[in-house]
Amino acid sequence: GAVVSQHPSRVICKSGTSVKIECRSLDFQATTMFWYRQFPKQSLMLMATSNEGSKATYEQGVEKDKFLINHASLTLSTLTVTSAHPEDSSFYICSASRGQGISYEQYFGPGTRLTVT
Amino acid sequence: QKEVEQDPGPLSVPEGAIVSLNCTYSNSAFQYFMWYRQYSRKGPELLMYTYSSGNKEDGRFTAQVDKSSKYISLFIRDSQPSDSATYLCAMSGNTNAGKSTFGDGTTLTVKP
Repeated sequence: GAVVSQHPSRVICKSGTSVKIECRSLDFQATTMFWYRQFPKQSLMLMATSNEGSKATYEQGVEKDKFLINHASLTLSTLTVTSAHPEDSSFYICSASRGQGISYEQYFGPGTRLTVT
Repeated sequence: QKEVEQDPGPLSVPEGAIVSLNCTYSNSAFQYFMWYRQYSRKGPELLMYTYSSGNKEDGRFTAQVDKSSKYISLFIRDSQPSDSATYLCAMSGNTNAGKSTFGDGTTLTVKP
């Protein structure tokens, strides 16, 4: 159990376009979903926390108008990178939690490699 | 200074060796301590977690937490080539709604 999927696994887009990444919990209901980005040989940087049916909470320094997060159901959250630029190229990973704020009950998706040309 | 420090390595050991991975931290409010394994171009998977100080063993893996020294360790016994991955430590407090602070990860290679 506790499987999280992401789609697409890899995407290449042109500068100025928008890209949507989906995160799904396949076999459980996710109260909370987290979105991270990871640069090569670096750790996970938390971008935002989303709870089903409410607005996402963004970490300091993350532009909420650029990284739009929607958590419309207990099994689906989406991250839309708007007006993407080459510096947005990164590995984006989501995680889903079915616990009530319990940190170790986070299950990670396989990640999405975004390349902006 | 980062809240969580982890030696990035890389660490290379022969098959069968005992591997020691470590993290130090500065936030005394951390109560949950996790170790994740991340294969290349994949998402992290939870290996073990401990609450507060102490040891926890699961098969070939042992996690140790020393809160007095703000130091945690993961030991891998009888290491296998399939253990080759990046290992991330992560920590959180009791009341931060599930948010964790991650180390930068240590890249481990186990050579046959």
